[in-house]
Amino acid sequence: SQELEQSPQSLIVQEGKNLTINCTSSKTLYGLYWYKQKYGEGLIFLMMLQKGGEEKSHEKITAKLDEKKQQSSLHITASQPSHAGIYLCGADSGTSYGKLTFGQGTILTVHP
Amino acid sequence: NAGVTQTPKFQVLKTGQSMTLQCAQDMNHEYMSWYRQDPGMGLRLIHYSVGAGITDQGEVPNGYNVSRSTTEDFPLRLLSAAPSQTSVYFCASSSSGTQSENSPLHFGNGTRLTVT
Repeated sequence: SQELEQSPQSLIVQEGKNLTINCTSSKTLYGLYWYKQKYGEGLIFLMMLQKGGEEKSHEKITAKLDEKKQQSSLHITASQPSHAGIYLCGADSGTSYGKLTFGQGTILTVHP
Repeated sequence: NAGVTQTPKFQVLKTGQSMTLQCAQDMNHEYMSWYRQDPGMGLRLIHYSVGAGITDQGEVPNGYNVSRSTTEDFPLRLLSAAPSQTSVYFCASSSSGTQSENSPLHFGNGTRLTVT
């Protein structure tokens, strides 16, 4: 089965700093999804990447898919307290319809 | 815009008790799924359904039953609760089992279950 490994597991930054979260897959990525979770709430979809080299941005959050490395990175520029939460990457196996795998999550804390 | 609604939000059970976690969506989504979230382990798929009358097992199905009699509802049943089932449970739905930007997963706010 496909496994997703996120790094770091947790991150504490000062407001205004840039940061990067990585997601590495044990198998070929057919689609990589980034979600954000606030404490006590469900997950909110951020963006999806499908093609190698693809890069997408949403406000100050940019995600890129490196298909050759089976890896995706999520970069936040000039972090704000509103960026705090748990970021999870998810992947479609490409072979089993409906079976989506998630990484263990990265807990982000942003100090004002 | 209700989206995905999960009830209850919190539940405490004793070992051996049974209960049903409810999940309902009002978006006419064909695909629904249940995940459990445990510290350091991310989300693990329990069961999923690609349409009414069709269900299948995910990564960690043991101890859980599901059924999908309508498009809107996808309840998760614990027949005999165990402490290992203490977790946060999320229900999710999408218009397709193959995710895309046009059909991402929509999540409920979760049910926090404690089994003593």
